[in-house]
Amino acid sequence: QVQLVQSGAEVKKPGASLKVSCKASGYSFTSYYIHWVRQDPRQGLEWMGRINPNSGGTDYAQNFQGRISMTRDMSISTAYMEVSGLKSDDTAVYYCGRGGQDPYIDQWGQGTLVTVSS
Amino acid sequence: SYELTQPPSVSVSPGQTARITCSGDLLPNKYAYWYQQKVGQAPVLVIYKDRQRPSGIPERFSGSGSGATVTLTISGVQAEDEAEYYCQSADSSGWAFGGGTKLIVL
Repeated sequence: QVQLVQSGAEVKKPGASLKVSCKASGYSFTSYYIHWVRQDPRQGLEWMGRINPNSGGTDYAQNFQGRISMTRDMSISTAYMEVSGLKSDDTAVYYCGRGGQDPYIDQWGQGTLVTVSS
Repeated sequence: SYELTQPPSVSVSPGQTARITCSGDLLPNKYAYWYQQKVGQAPVLVIYKDRQRPSGIPERFSGSGSGATVTLTISGVQAEDEAEYYCQSADSSGWAFGGGTKLIVL
């Protein structure tokens, strides 16, 4: 079955960088986009961007441009999302999700809790 | 992106019909999608392209739309349907999610 398994919870200091991984299984990794969405009590669900695992092409939400980078390693069917210059406002659960040509997620990862605190 | 507005909560008794609305200016021209999220879990897609139901989602979940408002309807609500429900849509500038509606099963 389709599965997306994310890396574990992280605690980071302000100004640090974060890299979350998302390992896909049960389908052709290069045939679907990987999206990243974060969730926190203030902002709710927020779409961060997507990567095309086949081409490596990315689209980032305007709110995160210049601060995030999405990459992938096709050899191990894994996508990565890196956020730099962390602030306390970046404390959230980060999800990866699989998507097709239409803009929605049909399968979500389990989420990665990120806490930014000094 | 743009805003999608949902009521904070909807309460129904078991067996009744729950209707959760989502409003946004671009909804007449863009599809809406609905996700169910139970406490401590990741969201699950329950409706895509306004009214399509993914495989494995019970038939009691349905979607509809009229102008700037789309509606998620859950017929014959069960206790297990208690969850937060989010609508979502997208345009060329990105995605937007509604603020979520807590479905309370009395």
